[in-house]
Amino acid sequence: EPEVTQTPSHQVTQMGQEVILRCVPISNHLYFYWYRQILGQKVEFLVSFYNNEISEKSEIFDDQFSVERPDGSNFTLKIRSTKLEDSAMYFCASSDRSRTGELFFGEGSRLTVL
Amino acid sequence: AQSVTQLDSQVPVFEEAPVELRCNYSSSVSVYLFWYVQYPNQGLQLLLKYLSGSTLVESINGFEAEFNKSQTSFHLRKPSVHISDTAEYFCAVTLTGGGNKLTFGTGTQLKVEL
Repeated sequence: EPEVTQTPSHQVTQMGQEVILRCVPISNHLYFYWYRQILGQKVEFLVSFYNNEISEKSEIFDDQFSVERPDGSNFTLKIRSTKLEDSAMYFCASSDRSRTGELFFGEGSRLTVL
Repeated sequence: AQSVTQLDSQVPVFEEAPVELRCNYSSSVSVYLFWYVQYPNQGLQLLLKYLSGSTLVESINGFEAEFNKSQTSFHLRKPSVHISDTAEYFCAVTLTGGGNKLTFGTGTQLKVEL
């Protein structure tokens, strides 16, 4: 069964460092997403991406965040200068539909900022 | 803005007993409703969804949920749980015209015991 894969599964970084989280969405999907879950809190929407541009972003997704689809398979989330409060589980998701909520999620990348 | 409330953070239950996980939502416009499940060390998986039509929806592994518009609820039920149902269950909504931006509840940890 096709699945969304994320790397790394866990990354530890120092505050102020740049981090890139990588995702390989399901191959025929066109809609891509990043969500995050701070420990003990809700899963929160960060950004959606379609046709090589951001469709929607939340207020969390400020200038330190960026997303890119550098080639036909990868979808990346970059955090330019990490802060302690960026520590969270980051989930990538993809969908072949634009508006029915049927997302396929990866297993997540746990980011720990020290 | 829409919101989702899952009042029960943990629900312990014995195997073969029935279970209900509660979900209430708030929205000024129509929504689609979802239950996602997260098994240990895995990503979020869509369990079932309500888009339109019959208010009672079922999953392939015996769960069901009923959309109740007057009570703004979408409770998840299973008449007889199994050990393998141990997981975290997330209720989520998205606006019917709003793309795939999901708003999640805080999750309910279902722990099935022998």
